[in-house]
Amino acid sequence: DAKTTQPPSMDCAEGRAANLPCNHSTISGNEYVYWYRQIHSQGPQYIIHGLKNNETNEMASLIITEDRKSSTLILPHATLRDTAVYYCIVRGYYNQGGKLIFGQGTELSVKP
Amino acid sequence: EAQVTQNPRYLITVTGKKLTVTCSQNMNHEYMSWYRQDPGLGLRQIYYSMNVEVTDKGDVPEGYKVSRKEKRNFPLILESPSPNQTSLYFCASSLQGLAGTDTQYFGPGTRLTVL
Repeated sequence: DAKTTQPPSMDCAEGRAANLPCNHSTISGNEYVYWYRQIHSQGPQYIIHGLKNNETNEMASLIITEDRKSSTLILPHATLRDTAVYYCIVRGYYNQGGKLIFGQGTELSVKP
Repeated sequence: EAQVTQNPRYLITVTGKKLTVTCSQNMNHEYMSWYRQDPGLGLRQIYYSMNVEVTDKGDVPEGYKVSRKEKRNFPLILESPSPNQTSLYFCASSLQGLAGTDTQYFGPGTRLTVL
């Protein structure tokens, strides 16, 4: 699975959009981009994933660049409860063991 | 409610005293997995199971055992715990363990301290 690079921390004002970038320049054609978050030692929570196209669900939007070398997770109206560590994970369809490789992630602080 | 449950949530024990951490999911998932999380090391996979009676080692299996006798349960067994197994443990499950077709759901975690 390709390696990802994320900024270690970001701040966002409550009610504003939070844009979390992720670089995955070595991604291959059959690898998906996943986003999870972990709120203070709770179990990681799935947010969204995509292959090529932009995706949107009730939690967030995922924008993947045309060359697929980077992506951005967008939380459209961040709340205090969105304060968490956000992980960008690249995963091949048949990766061994089905495991998710969590890097260091981005610690997002949403401030009033 | 679809969920993964773990018990106990917190456990303090002593070196060498066998323990089992249970994991159960109610989503009829085939794939289940155990991770441990340590400061600075992130989450690392211990064992995984693609289906009933099918288990395999992850990245850090030493000192752990698992079993998968029924689809919903995937207990983690520490036969002789040592202090270096003090960690936060997470169980996860998904439909098949394949990217793109399913997502992994995580349990709430078990914080284990071995004295």
